[in-house]
Amino acid sequence: EVQLVESGGGLVQPGRSLRLSCAASGFSLDDYAMHWVRQAPGKGLEWVSGISWNSGSIGYADSVKGRFTISRDNAENSLYLQMNSLRAEDTALYYCAKGNLAIVQGDFDYWGQGTLVTVSS
Amino acid sequence: QSALTQPPSVSGSPGQAVTISCTGISSDVGSYARFSWYQQSPGTAPKLIIYEVTNRPSGVPDRFSGSKSGNTASLTISGLQAEDEGDYYCSSYTTNSTSWVFGGGTKLTVL
Repeated sequence: EVQLVESGGGLVQPGRSLRLSCAASGFSLDDYAMHWVRQAPGKGLEWVSGISWNSGSIGYADSVKGRFTISRDNAENSLYLQMNSLRAEDTALYYCAKGNLAIVQGDFDYWGQGTLVTVSS
Repeated sequence: QSALTQPPSVSGSPGQAVTISCTGISSDVGSYARFSWYQQSPGTAPKLIIYEVTNRPSGVPDRFSGSKSGNTASLTISGLQAEDEGDYYCSSYTTNSTSWVFGGGTKLTVL
């Protein structure tokens, strides 16, 4: 059974940093691209970033480019999102999502339950 | 990376059919087969219900179907059931920016 478990969320002040993690199980992580998708309270889904199976292709939403960094450790079955210079508008539930292909062009076939990030002073 | 355009809400009675549209531009919806639909019930994570425009993952009822024409894609739910209530999101890969974009979401109400 595919499982994705996010962690690392919490309350953080504007301008500070936070690192999210996603622990994957039930499939071979190194066969698939992975993504982060967020959802602000009461709002819709927003794709944040995606990374191919071998980290050779990485993409970011314009809203986080230059501030967020996605990475993965296939040996540890983990996906990460380093978030720097956080802003109030980054407040959201952050989902880890598995792509259905090794490349980032694949659709998101499994999702975790999310970890909540709140940016506030 | 502009969001795709979906109607804010649709509704239908049990047994009826409803269609949710998703409009983009030539570099996203119009140009690629990497297009999907997601269902989100309150308090839960999104669930993939249509991928690559028309395909259903295992376990998704055949009442759900997808199509695309030009820059507009559609999700049709036939034989509406109460359990179909929730929010529906479309998503497309964009060829000119190596990124994905979601629609704003459509709230489906079963009357």
